[in-house]
Amino acid sequence: AQSVAQPEDQVNVAEGNPLTVKCTYSVSGNPYLFWYVQYPNRGLQFLLKYITGDNLVKGSYGFEAEFNKSQTSFHLKKPSALVSDSALYFCAVRDGSNYQLIWGAGTKLIIKP
Amino acid sequence: DAGVIQSPRHEVTEMGQEVTLRCKPISGHNSLFWYRQTMMRGLELLIYFNNNVPIDDSGMPEDRFSAKMPNASFSTLKIQPSEPRDSAVYFCASSSGLRNNEQFFGPGTRLTVL
Repeated sequence: AQSVAQPEDQVNVAEGNPLTVKCTYSVSGNPYLFWYVQYPNRGLQFLLKYITGDNLVKGSYGFEAEFNKSQTSFHLKKPSALVSDSALYFCAVRDGSNYQLIWGAGTKLIIKP
Repeated sequence: DAGVIQSPRHEVTEMGQEVTLRCKPISGHNSLFWYRQTMMRGLELLIYFNNNVPIDDSGMPEDRFSAKMPNASFSTLKIQPSEPRDSAVYFCASSSGLRNNEQFFGPGTRLTVL
Protein backbone atom coordinates (compact mmCIF):
# COMPACT_ATOMS: atom_id res chain seq x y z
CA ALA A 1 0.00 0.00 0.00
CA GLN A 2 1.08 3.53 -0.68
CA SER A 3 2.06 5.66 2.27
CA VAL A 4 3.88 8.83 3.21
CA ALA A 5 5.54 9.58 6.53
CA GLN A 6 6.59 12.94 7.87
CA PRO A 7 8.32 11.89 11.07
CA GLU A 8 8.47 15.32 12.68
CA ASP A 9 5.34 17.12 13.83
CA GLN A 10 7.34 20.31 14.25
CA VAL A 11 10.73 21.64 13.21
CA ASN A 12 12.31 24.69 14.82
CA VAL A 13 15.07 26.57 13.02
CA ALA A 14 16.77 29.87 13.64
CA GLU A 15 16.51 32.44 10.89
CA GLY A 16 19.44 32.22 8.52
CA ASN A 17 20.17 28.59 9.30
CA PRO A 18 19.56 25.77 6.82
CA LEU A 19 16.34 23.84 7.21
CA THR A 20 15.26 20.30 6.41
CA VAL A 21 11.76 18.86 6.55
CA LYS A 22 11.77 15.10 6.23
CA CYS A 23 9.55 12.86 4.13
CA THR A 24 9.71 9.14 3.39
CA TYR A 25 7.37 7.22 1.16
CA SER A 26 6.28 3.79 0.06
CA VAL A 27 4.80 3.04 -3.36
CA SER A 28 4.69 -0.02 -5.54
CA GLY A 29 5.83 1.63 -8.75
CA ASN A 30 7.70 4.75 -9.73
CA PRO A 31 6.84 7.59 -7.35
CA TYR A 32 5.62 11.03 -8.21
CA LEU A 33 6.50 13.21 -5.21
CA PHE A 34 5.23 16.63 -4.21
CA TRP A 35 5.72 19.24 -1.54
CA TYR A 36 3.07 21.77 -0.61
CA VAL A 37 3.00 24.62 1.89
CA GLN A 38 0.02 25.92 3.84
CA TYR A 39 0.04 29.32 5.47
CA PRO A 40 -2.50 30.03 8.23
CA ASN A 41 -6.08 30.24 6.99
CA ARG A 42 -5.02 29.53 3.42
CA GLY A 43 -5.23 26.68 0.97
CA LEU A 44 -2.25 24.51 0.12
CA GLN A 45 0.25 25.90 -2.35
CA PHE A 46 2.42 23.79 -4.61
CA LEU A 47 6.16 24.11 -3.97
CA LEU A 48 7.88 21.49 -6.12
CA LYS A 49 7.64 18.01 -7.54
CA TYR A 50 9.78 15.09 -8.59
CA ILE A 51 8.66 13.05 -11.55
CA THR A 52 11.84 11.79 -13.13
CA GLY A 53 15.32 12.98 -13.95
CA ASP A 54 17.64 14.95 -11.70
CA ASN A 55 17.35 13.89 -8.08
CA LEU A 56 17.65 17.48 -6.86
CA VAL A 57 14.51 19.45 -7.59
CA LYS A 58 14.28 23.21 -7.22
CA GLY A 59 11.00 24.91 -6.42
CA SER A 60 9.37 28.09 -5.27
CA TYR A 61 10.64 30.48 -2.58
CA GLY A 62 14.19 29.04 -2.69
CA PHE A 63 13.15 25.55 -1.60
CA GLU A 64 14.61 22.39 -3.03
CA ALA A 65 14.15 18.69 -2.39
CA GLU A 66 16.33 15.68 -2.91
CA PHE A 67 14.93 12.42 -4.16
CA ASN A 68 16.74 9.40 -2.74
CA LYS A 69 15.47 6.15 -4.20
CA SER A 70 17.50 3.84 -1.99
CA GLN A 71 16.27 5.56 1.17
CA THR A 72 12.79 6.21 -0.27
CA SER A 73 13.03 9.78 0.90
CA PHE A 74 12.19 13.19 -0.48
CA HIS A 75 13.39 15.72 2.09
CA LEU A 76 12.64 19.41 1.65
CA LYS A 77 15.53 21.80 2.16
CA LYS A 78 16.43 25.45 2.10
CA PRO A 79 19.94 26.84 2.62
CA SER A 80 18.90 29.86 4.67
CA ALA A 81 15.56 30.02 6.49
CA LEU A 82 13.37 33.10 6.65
CA VAL A 83 10.81 33.92 9.33
CA SER A 84 8.25 34.04 6.52
CA ASP A 85 8.91 30.35 5.81
CA SER A 86 7.02 29.50 8.99
CA ALA A 87 4.07 27.41 7.86
CA LEU A 88 2.72 23.88 7.61
CA TYR A 89 4.44 21.68 5.02
CA PHE A 90 2.93 18.61 3.41
CA CYS A 91 4.63 15.87 1.45
CA ALA A 92 2.54 13.80 -0.97
CA VAL A 93 3.12 10.85 -3.27
CA ARG A 94 1.30 9.33 -6.18
CA ASP A 95 2.10 6.14 -8.00
CA GLY A 96 1.69 5.92 -11.73
CA SER A 97 -1.65 4.22 -11.73
CA ASN A 98 -4.10 6.83 -10.50
CA TYR A 99 -4.78 10.50 -9.91
CA GLN A 100 -4.99 10.35 -6.15
CA LEU A 101 -2.29 11.82 -3.92
CA ILE A 102 -1.39 10.19 -0.63
CA TRP A 103 -0.64 12.91 1.90
CA GLY A 104 1.67 13.07 4.86
CA ALA A 105 0.38 14.40 8.17
CA GLY A 106 2.20 17.66 7.78
CA THR A 107 5.16 19.26 9.55
CA LYS A 108 4.89 22.62 11.25
CA LEU A 109 7.98 24.67 10.49
CA ILE A 110 8.79 27.47 12.91
CA ILE A 111 11.55 29.91 12.03
CA LYS A 112 12.68 32.03 14.95
CA PRO A 113 14.29 35.45 14.47
CA ASP B 1 -6.48 32.90 -14.13
CA ALA B 2 -8.40 33.40 -10.91
CA GLY B 3 -7.40 30.03 -9.54
CA VAL B 4 -9.79 27.62 -7.88
CA ILE B 5 -12.79 29.46 -6.49
CA GLN B 6 -14.75 28.23 -3.50
CA SER B 7 -17.87 29.60 -1.90
CA PRO B 8 -18.81 30.41 0.72
CA ARG B 9 -15.56 31.08 2.53
CA HIS B 10 -17.25 30.65 5.89
CA GLU B 11 -20.43 28.84 6.80
CA VAL B 12 -22.04 28.62 10.21
CA THR B 13 -25.11 26.46 10.47
CA GLU B 14 -27.11 24.51 12.99
CA MET B 15 -27.12 20.78 13.35
CA GLY B 16 -29.60 19.15 11.00
CA GLN B 17 -29.43 21.82 8.34
CA GLU B 18 -28.35 21.19 4.78
CA VAL B 19 -25.02 22.65 3.72
CA THR B 20 -23.85 23.12 0.14
CA LEU B 21 -20.27 23.99 -0.69
CA ARG B 22 -19.35 25.14 -4.16
CA CYS B 23 -16.25 24.97 -6.28
CA LYS B 24 -15.17 26.32 -9.64
CA PRO B 25 -11.99 24.63 -10.86
CA ILE B 26 -9.33 26.23 -12.99
CA SER B 27 -10.42 26.41 -16.60
CA GLY B 28 -9.00 23.53 -18.61
CA HIS B 29 -8.43 21.27 -15.62
CA ASN B 30 -10.29 18.00 -15.87
CA SER B 31 -9.66 16.51 -12.44
CA LEU B 32 -11.33 17.84 -9.32
CA PHE B 33 -10.80 16.83 -5.71
CA TRP B 34 -12.69 17.53 -2.49
CA TYR B 35 -10.70 17.41 0.75
CA ARG B 36 -11.53 17.92 4.41
CA GLN B 37 -8.99 19.21 6.92
CA THR B 38 -9.27 18.95 10.70
CA MET B 39 -6.76 19.14 13.49
CA MET B 40 -7.51 15.59 14.55
CA ARG B 41 -7.52 13.83 11.19
CA GLY B 42 -5.38 16.10 9.04
CA LEU B 43 -6.08 16.30 5.31
CA GLU B 44 -8.53 13.71 4.02
CA LEU B 45 -9.54 13.10 0.42
CA LEU B 46 -13.32 12.80 0.21
CA ILE B 47 -13.95 12.28 -3.49
CA TYR B 48 -12.42 13.02 -6.84
CA PHE B 49 -13.72 13.45 -10.35
CA ASN B 50 -12.11 13.05 -13.73
CA ASN B 51 -13.87 14.55 -16.73
CA ASN B 52 -16.88 15.22 -14.49
CA VAL B 53 -17.21 11.56 -13.53
CA PRO B 54 -16.70 10.47 -9.91
CA ILE B 55 -13.73 8.12 -9.81
CA ASP B 56 -13.34 7.35 -6.14
CA ASP B 57 -15.73 8.35 -3.38
CA SER B 58 -14.41 5.95 -0.76
CA GLY B 59 -13.37 8.87 1.41
CA MET B 60 -16.88 10.20 1.78
CA PRO B 61 -17.63 9.68 5.47
CA GLU B 62 -21.21 8.52 5.17
CA ASP B 63 -24.39 8.86 3.17
CA ARG B 64 -25.00 12.32 4.52
CA PHE B 65 -22.29 13.52 2.16
CA SER B 66 -22.80 13.77 -1.57
CA ALA B 67 -20.90 15.47 -4.39
CA LYS B 68 -21.76 16.34 -7.93
CA MET B 69 -20.00 17.76 -10.92
CA PRO B 70 -22.64 18.67 -13.51
CA ASN B 71 -20.11 20.28 -15.85
CA ALA B 72 -16.42 21.00 -16.18
CA SER B 73 -16.64 24.32 -14.40
CA PHE B 74 -18.68 23.56 -11.31
CA SER B 75 -18.90 21.10 -8.45
CA THR B 76 -20.83 20.91 -5.21
CA LEU B 77 -20.36 19.07 -1.96
CA LYS B 78 -23.52 18.68 0.05
CA ILE B 79 -24.02 17.59 3.64
CA GLN B 80 -27.54 16.71 4.67
CA PRO B 81 -28.20 16.67 7.55
CA SER B 82 -25.15 18.35 9.00
CA GLU B 83 -23.68 17.39 12.37
CA PRO B 84 -21.22 19.16 14.69
CA ARG B 85 -18.51 16.61 13.84
CA ASP B 86 -18.65 17.83 10.23
CA SER B 87 -17.05 21.08 11.34
CA ALA B 88 -13.83 21.41 9.33
CA VAL B 89 -12.21 23.28 6.49
CA TYR B 90 -13.24 21.86 3.14
CA PHE B 91 -10.90 22.34 0.20
CA CYS B 92 -11.48 21.90 -3.47
CA ALA B 93 -8.50 21.31 -5.77
CA SER B 94 -8.12 20.81 -9.49
CA SER B 95 -5.45 19.54 -11.83
CA SER B 96 -4.97 18.86 -15.51
CA GLY B 97 -5.36 15.34 -16.72
CA LEU B 98 -1.78 14.15 -16.60
CA ARG B 99 -0.88 12.09 -13.57
CA ASN B 100 2.30 14.00 -12.85
CA ASN B 101 0.64 17.39 -12.62
CA GLU B 102 0.20 19.18 -9.36
CA GLN B 103 -3.13 20.00 -7.76
CA PHE B 104 -4.15 23.61 -7.28
CA PHE B 105 -6.12 24.30 -4.13
CA GLY B 106 -8.87 26.77 -3.47
CA PRO B 107 -8.92 28.93 -0.33
CA GLY B 108 -11.26 26.55 1.45
CA THR B 109 -14.63 26.80 3.17
CA ARG B 110 -14.56 26.88 6.94
CA LEU B 111 -17.69 25.06 8.11
CA THR B 112 -18.96 25.31 11.65
CA VAL B 113 -21.95 23.21 12.64
CA LEU B 114 -23.44 24.23 15.98
